[in-house]
Amino acid sequence: SQTIHQWPATLVQPVGSPLSLECTVEGTSNPNLYWYRQAAGRGLQLLFYSVGIGQISSEVPQNLSASRPQDRQFILSSKKLLLSDSGFYLCAWSAGQGDQPQHFGDGTRLSIL
Amino acid sequence: AQKITQTQPGMFVQEKEAVTLDCTYDTSDQSYGLFWYKQPSSGEMIFLIYQGSYDEQNATEGRYSLNFQKARKSANLVISASQLGDSAMYFCAMSSLDSASKIIFGSGTRLSIRP
Repeated sequence: SQTIHQWPATLVQPVGSPLSLECTVEGTSNPNLYWYRQAAGRGLQLLFYSVGIGQISSEVPQNLSASRPQDRQFILSSKKLLLSDSGFYLCAWSAGQGDQPQHFGDGTRLSIL
Repeated sequence: AQKITQTQPGMFVQEKEAVTLDCTYDTSDQSYGLFWYKQPSSGEMIFLIYQGSYDEQNATEGRYSLNFQKARKSANLVISASQLGDSAMYFCAMSSLDSASKIIFGSGTRLSIRP
């Protein structure tokens, strides 16, 4: 069966520090991969998605970036965090077709001080 | 452009009653999919049910059913015999079957079940 791992679960970072969140998927090949951010009590905002290695689409211009160095690995990064980057970050994967649901990791709660 | 609207920010329902969560959508795509997800307070997103725009019958999964009215562009979630464990945020979402596999989400409805 397929599983998705996302870490860390919780992260507290100072303003201006770098960020690296990692997500890996097991049990499937060539998944679509996604990064979302969720503000408290709000819906999900799609940040990045990838349909293959090295292929990244950005939905929201900001100081975050994403990379997909391997088929089942998706990384969210920042060189300098802002206070507005605080939130709940969720990684997800789906099979190639649009009628397949997304399956989510457990999320990372990021607090910027 | 696609859009999902959930007009109920919060709902309170008595345990064992049925509840309907509203979702309307807008899209110019001919083929699309509609999803419902549950997010408990722990934060994980749990897939509940899927309806394709080409499906003539409403989708059902256990106590969950999707009331799909294509002409009205609505995809309401019905939960029968609600339980205390159903208390959570519920999100409606839509994908396009014609292009890249993005899914957009509504703003969610917080459902609280009273004992």
